[in-house]
Amino acid sequence: DAEITQSPRHKITETGRQVTLACHQTWNHNNMFWYRQDLGHGLRLIHYSYGVHDTNKGEVSDGYSVSRSNTEDLPLTLESAASSQTSVYFCASSESVYYGYTFGSGTRLTVV
Amino acid sequence: GDSVTQMEGPVTLSEEAFLTINCTYTATGYPSLFWYVQYPGEGLQLLLKATKADDKGSNKGFEATYRKETTSFHLEKGSVQVSDSAVYFCALSGLVSSGSARQLTFGSGTQLTVLP
Repeated sequence: DAEITQSPRHKITETGRQVTLACHQTWNHNNMFWYRQDLGHGLRLIHYSYGVHDTNKGEVSDGYSVSRSNTEDLPLTLESAASSQTSVYFCASSESVYYGYTFGSGTRLTVV
Repeated sequence: GDSVTQMEGPVTLSEEAFLTINCTYTATGYPSLFWYVQYPGEGLQLLLKATKADDKGSNKGFEATYRKETTSFHLEKGSVQVSDSAVYFCALSGLVSSGSARQLTFGSGTQLTVLP
C-alpha cells in the first residue's frame, strides 16, 4: 500500500545544530507540504513543493529550507536550530488540493 | 485570502450524545471542503469531504453538508463514542492570496472529549 512516512518520530537536538527531518511518500504525488503544529497556533505552513526542483515558502519559512530532487522525498532542514522551533512537524502530500492531503505521523522535535 | 472559522473548544460530551462542531468559511470560487481528525500522537486523517454545494460527506457516522448559502460545513454525529475523542479540523481548498494556486486552509481545530 502507498504511504507517507516521516523520520525520526522523535528528535532532541541542541541549539545551533543543523537538523534534517525526512519525508518520503510512495503515492507518486507531485504536491508535498511541511507544517508545524503548536498549541494555540494550529497548523502553519512552512514550505511546499509542486514538483521536482520546485520549492516555495509558506507563512513561517524563516530558519527552514527544503529541496526536491525526486518525486518521493521532501526533506526539511533547520539550518541552525532554535528553541522556538521546538514543535511537532507534519509532512503531507496530495495529487490535487480538491482531493485533500495525506499526512504523515509527525516528528516531535525538541531543541534544548 | 480564503479562511475558515471553526467552533472553539474544548467540547466535552457524554457517550451517546449528539455532536455538532460549527465551521464557516470565506472563499472565492468553488472550494472543496474537508473535515480532518487527529487522534492523540498521530497525524491528521481525512474524515470526510464535499466538493460542491449541497454535497453531503459522510464517514464513520459523521456527516457534513456543503451549504453555499450559509457558507458553512458543520460536522455532526448522532451518537458519539469515547473513541471519537480527538481534535477535529475543518479545511477548504482555498486561495492563499490573489493569483496563487489553491491550498488547504485549516481552521484552528476543536478538541472533543467524550466521557463514558
